[in-house]
Amino acid sequence: NAGVTQTPKFQVLKTGQSMTLQCAQDMNHNSMYWYRQDPGMGLRLIYYSASEGTTDKGEVPNGYNVSRLNKREFSLRLESAAPSQTSVYFCASSEVPSGSSYNEQFFGPGTRLTVL
Amino acid sequence: DQQVKQNSPSLSVQEGRISILNCDYTNSMFDYFLWYKKYPAEGPTFLISISSIKDKNEDGRFTVFLNKSAKHLSLHIVPSQPGDSAVYFCAAIKTGANNLFFGTGTRLTVIP
Repeated sequence: NAGVTQTPKFQVLKTGQSMTLQCAQDMNHNSMYWYRQDPGMGLRLIYYSASEGTTDKGEVPNGYNVSRLNKREFSLRLESAAPSQTSVYFCASSEVPSGSSYNEQFFGPGTRLTVL
Repeated sequence: DQQVKQNSPSLSVQEGRISILNCDYTNSMFDYFLWYKKYPAEGPTFLISISSIKDKNEDGRFTVFLNKSAKHLSLHIVPSQPGDSAVYFCAAIKTGANNLFFGTGTRLTVIP
């Protein structure tokens, strides 16, 4: 099993460009998540999908959109990239649906995005 | 507003000694706590967790202690090994929620 995979691994964008970060998991998990990690800030939740067909905002959703394409795939889109979106983006998945106390999440390797 | 705090950005210990990583939280609604380990260019990997109904959880060389009254938890690694060198993140969540709150991480270096 590959676990959680993310593409691309690196990306450089100019301000105003758009792009989509792809994420897929092969663990048959219900829930999927997008985080960003910035220096001195830890990981912060952007959006999550508790189950196929649902998406909800996390702590820092502004400037992003998401699509839960199917149970395996969860994409993150930047419609008009800004330098403040320079970050490392992590996708994660969890087998536990919303409402449970246990929430171990499995993370992908990350996408390092630079916006000039 | 950082709800989970790791006040030590780095820690160095000798191989074979104990490593103690600390974490504080401010939200009394959190009732489940996790530690993740992260190597460079990789995603975080789950290490150990503890529910608020317990004050200690042990898994091999790793033990997590929870002090609810102080809103403090710590991760003990005994004995420390060079392969333990990584960034360790503390995380917390409230039952039923999806938002896992992470600390800023502590970089552990185990010196051979």
